[in-house]
Amino acid sequence: DTEVTQTPKHLVMGMTNKKSLKCEQHMGHRAMYWYKQKAKKPPELMFVYSYEKLSINESVPSRFSPECPNSSLLNLHLHALQPEDSALYLCASSPSRQQSYEQYFGPGTRLTVT
Amino acid sequence: QKEVEQNSGPLSVPEGAIASLNCTYSDRGSQSFFWYRQYSGKSPELIMFIYSNGDKEDGRFTAQLNKASQYVSLLIRDSQPSDSATYLCAVTNTDKLIFGTGTRLQVFP
Repeated sequence: DTEVTQTPKHLVMGMTNKKSLKCEQHMGHRAMYWYKQKAKKPPELMFVYSYEKLSINESVPSRFSPECPNSSLLNLHLHALQPEDSALYLCASSPSRQQSYEQYFGPGTRLTVT
Repeated sequence: QKEVEQNSGPLSVPEGAIASLNCTYSDRGSQSFFWYRQYSGKSPELIMFIYSNGDKEDGRFTAQLNKASQYVSLLIRDSQPSDSATYLCAVTNTDKLIFGTGTRLQVFP
């Protein structure tokens, strides 16, 4: 099973809402990633978790809060977002942080902030 | 200078032709190089990776790497309309993937 799943597929939220994005993998991978992708741009790395610990935060605003409850799950909690945060949010996993090249991407969550 | 550079395109080729996609990178210490295909509205899909100088072939795809020139390319033989997508070049920098901006490929019948 080489699949990374993400829910929801689409999310529309207001600037005062609190919502969460979820990501799950069952490949035994120990590194998980959140990326943000705007239209016609490449994915931008946001966070990296390695063995359930946050190892990289690419200076992401605090309105984005990641959480890794266990080795299979990765959440991204959203609060007080801005319209410019509207984007495709991609989750990925790899066997380890040192093997970051073997990244499998989930289908993404299309987020619209109104 | 951007770390990974690609021509944004679109690159238009007729069905059955060879599509040639190019990428340059700035970090001489980069060791691993990848090509991802991304259809509109979908997530990136890894299609090729190459670690050593030279060519690597997989079906209709050939990746070429020249570390001295800091250049990596992807050739798609017998291009099909279903190959129409954005192709992202990516390079490992320590433990991160650094993506180029992507080249949009259009294959017309």
